[in-house]
Amino acid sequence: DAGVIQSPRHEVTEMGQEVTLRCKPISGHNSLFWYRQTMMRGLELLIYFNNNVPIDDSGMPEDRFSAKMPNASFSTLKIQPSEPRDSAVYFCASSLKTGGGLAQHFGDGTRLSIL
Amino acid sequence: DAKTTQPTSMDCAEGRAANLPCNHSTISGNEYVYWYRQIHSQGPQYIIHGLKNNETNEMASLIITEDRKSSTLILPHATLRDTAVYYCIVRVANGGSQGNLIFGKGTKLSVKP
Repeated sequence: DAGVIQSPRHEVTEMGQEVTLRCKPISGHNSLFWYRQTMMRGLELLIYFNNNVPIDDSGMPEDRFSAKMPNASFSTLKIQPSEPRDSAVYFCASSLKTGGGLAQHFGDGTRLSIL
Repeated sequence: DAKTTQPTSMDCAEGRAANLPCNHSTISGNEYVYWYRQIHSQGPQYIIHGLKNNETNEMASLIITEDRKSSTLILPHATLRDTAVYYCIVRVANGGSQGNLIFGKGTKLSVKP
């Protein structure tokens, strides 16, 4: 079975540019999560969706970050304008549902470098 | 903040059992113990979880103490490919922001030939 698919795997861009990260969750999963990983702060949850609806975006660092989930098979995380401190690995994960003992399955991430 | 305490690093000989400890002395009755691992340059991978009973799957075994204040992840026959950072996480069973997996610093396991 295909796992969580993220694109692009690597992104290098100049500060001020718009960056869009994409995620395709596992088919049938109805919860989707966006995480960010840096050396300083480790893995942090940014936002999660349940049935395509954003439930908790308290981890989104600031208004430059936005996330959407227009349908059950696609989500985007957008940074506009980007800044060097946004450089990190961004992971998407999905699960069957939140709650209970259900595991999150992660993609291989997008390594973002803002110059 | 992570609610677990793990050793920073451990070594294990290839083919031997790797026993990774985790302390979670403030765990609540409705919180599960989860284990994930992250191999270099990959996303975290789910390993196993449990509430109070010991659990086993094709990857590992999870031993939870009777008071639930600590647990041990056991990789029965470690291979070089098991070299990774292993995260122990406690997570509420349902409701609210239960989606939050709070990752601490984990244990860096090095399996040596």
